[in-house]
Amino acid sequence: DTGVSQNPRHKITKRGQNVTFRCDPISEHNRLYWYRQTLGQGPEFLTYFQNEAQLEKSRLLSDRFSAERPKGSFSTLEIQRTEQGDSAMYLCATNLRLGGGPLETGELFFGEGSRLTVL
Amino acid sequence: AQSVTQLDSQVPVFEEAPVELRCNYSSSVSVYLFWYVQYPNQGLQLLLKYLSGSTLVKGINGFEAEFNKSQTSFHLRKPSVHISDTAEYFCAVQNYGGATNKLIFGTGTLLAVQP
Repeated sequence: DTGVSQNPRHKITKRGQNVTFRCDPISEHNRLYWYRQTLGQGPEFLTYFQNEAQLEKSRLLSDRFSAERPKGSFSTLEIQRTEQGDSAMYLCATNLRLGGGPLETGELFFGEGSRLTVL
Repeated sequence: AQSVTQLDSQVPVFEEAPVELRCNYSSSVSVYLFWYVQYPNQGLQLLLKYLSGSTLVKGINGFEAEFNKSQTSFHLRKPSVHISDTAEYFCAVQNYGGATNKLIFGTGTLLAVQP
């Protein structure tokens, strides 16, 4: 399978524990995005990487959240001291930046998500 | 900043009937527009996108959408739905020429096709 891969698919944890999610992008894609989706809502943007550089972070990303993409390939999203309000589906999406410029655009390719339940 | 409004949280429809899912957007700059579909326990899949050119865009599974700049709308339509079209549909905008290409999504519309 050459799509975006996310692990684990499901995670149940107790409040206060730390959790980490991993995203493996489509191999040639240099842009990587994390989104959060709660029940009845659309995906909300959390953060964006171009290669290994984290270029944008949403205000939704509190200081308990940290994301990395150390070698510009896979990415991790860690949540420290989880709270019940963190329960959600965490989605990873990737695409390829080409030459750049105002006409560049492209669809995002999404993984199947990692569902977090905080008890 | 951009925003997307999907006024209908759920649209029930009988099989083989036509359907329209509404999407309106707000932006101070030019945008690209997308519709994604999410089947149960699956990731989001692109249905279609509008970048430029013809305002009528055709996508997969017989869906089409029409971009209306004056009404800032991008409604999704299908002339005859199937049971298998039951899913959550999300409209999204992307800043034209933006630095990140991030998508801003609406809250989604659940299309419930009944036999």
